[in-house]
Amino acid sequence: GAGVSQSPRYKVAKRGQDVALRCDPISGHVSLFWYQQALGQGPEFLTYFQNEAQLDKSGLPSDRFFAERPEGSVSTLKIQRTQQEDSAVYLCASSPGQGNSPLHFGNGTRLTVT
Amino acid sequence: QKEVEQNSGPLSVPEGAIASLNCTYSDRGSQSFFWYRQYSGKSPELIMFIYSNGDKEDGRFTAQLNKASQYVSLLIRDSQPSDSATYLCAVNNGDYKLSFGAGTTVTVRA
Repeated sequence: GAGVSQSPRYKVAKRGQDVALRCDPISGHVSLFWYQQALGQGPEFLTYFQNEAQLDKSGLPSDRFFAERPEGSVSTLKIQRTQQEDSAVYLCASSPGQGNSPLHFGNGTRLTVT
Repeated sequence: QKEVEQNSGPLSVPEGAIASLNCTYSDRGSQSFFWYRQYSGKSPELIMFIYSNGDKEDGRFTAQLNKASQYVSLLIRDSQPSDSATYLCAVNNGDYKLSFGAGTTVTVRA
């Protein structure tokens, strides 16, 4: 497909479980971002990759959150020992250039921790 | 103070009217400004971006930027029911991150 693809679309996890969220960016896009969107709020920055390099992880809420993009294309956001406050929509976005170019968002993964 | 502030709404306008959305930002060094539309349960979709003071028009949408007053607005002319969505203002201060407002929900009444 031509857009950013995320899977799964929905994920329900019991508190304490680990989850892995996948993002397939638009082919050839250099930049990849993860954002977290709580209900009724705007997206909040989590982390940024330029190709395979994670240049900024300052938005990750805790050390339970980990992201990787080993080959510079597909990215995975992993959350260990999930907590209820992790419940949100996790959005992946990519852009063709480095940094300041308009973002193309995926449809997100809605994570519910029970 | 949040970096980007928007009125949460809901903003209700009749079909055919102009919807006016406002956004203020705190970082005077901000360089580029974006409006995203987000339908319920969907991802944000870019509809406008503006870098320079003044107006920028694209179809029924006009973005207005005033850097001295640190606000950016979006006008939707001839509003249609399909414009009913949440509109997110996003600001970039020259690096790679976007800071988003909480969004304004717009409802267009048929």
